[in-house]
Amino acid sequence: LAKTTQPISMDSYEGQEVNITCSHNNIATNDYITWYQQFPSQGPRFIIQGYKTKVTNEVASLFIPADRKSSTLSLPRVSLSDTAVYYCLVGDGNRDDKIIFGKGTRLHILP
Amino acid sequence: GAVVSQHPSRVICKSGTSVKIECRSLDFQATTMFWYRQFPKQSLMLMATSNEGSKATYEQGVEKDKFLINHASLTLSTLTVTSAHPEDSSFYICSARELVGYNEQFFGPGTRLTVL
Repeated sequence: LAKTTQPISMDSYEGQEVNITCSHNNIATNDYITWYQQFPSQGPRFIIQGYKTKVTNEVASLFIPADRKSSTLSLPRVSLSDTAVYYCLVGDGNRDDKIIFGKGTRLHILP
Repeated sequence: GAVVSQHPSRVICKSGTSVKIECRSLDFQATTMFWYRQFPKQSLMLMATSNEGSKATYEQGVEKDKFLINHASLTLSTLTVTSAHPEDSSFYICSARELVGYNEQFFGPGTRLTVL
């Protein structure tokens, strides 16, 4: 059973900032939050990972409130090539931890 | 970053034949590899967890005699679809978990299986 809930789809325009929120009400103390991007007929690609507060890398930011029951992936100034499915996953990364995918968010960027 | 490869990238076979898909971690050792299946417009569905040197653990509803998994080394796991049928046509994706650190999971590029 997936541990996360995300909007099924979102539309935005080129140049806009896109925020995708994920709910993970039952997140455990040792769980990290990881976001993946998937293009059609490709394997998922790691975007960003965090445990609390804010994490930023060259492609995205991840905001995690104090209670950690949700997280928001922020994509600055999106382009058409950001059209993809985005998955939010939680897990503790231990050897036996299984990554169960939710339905993900299908992001469609319009020109 | 760590790289996971899959071979072949796509395969077309006749109904009743068996197909083997390889998953390799190219620059790291992986004690655990995972196999997923993905149908069009759907999410990834975990099929099984493969630990090096031991039997794979299959998810509920996945036929272990149909989907044979072998994890013979720290860098290679194989999935064999036996007696494939058209309903087995799907996109198969493997992932590998690194031994050290957080044990981040790295995904392969996927294998498109089409059974005629």
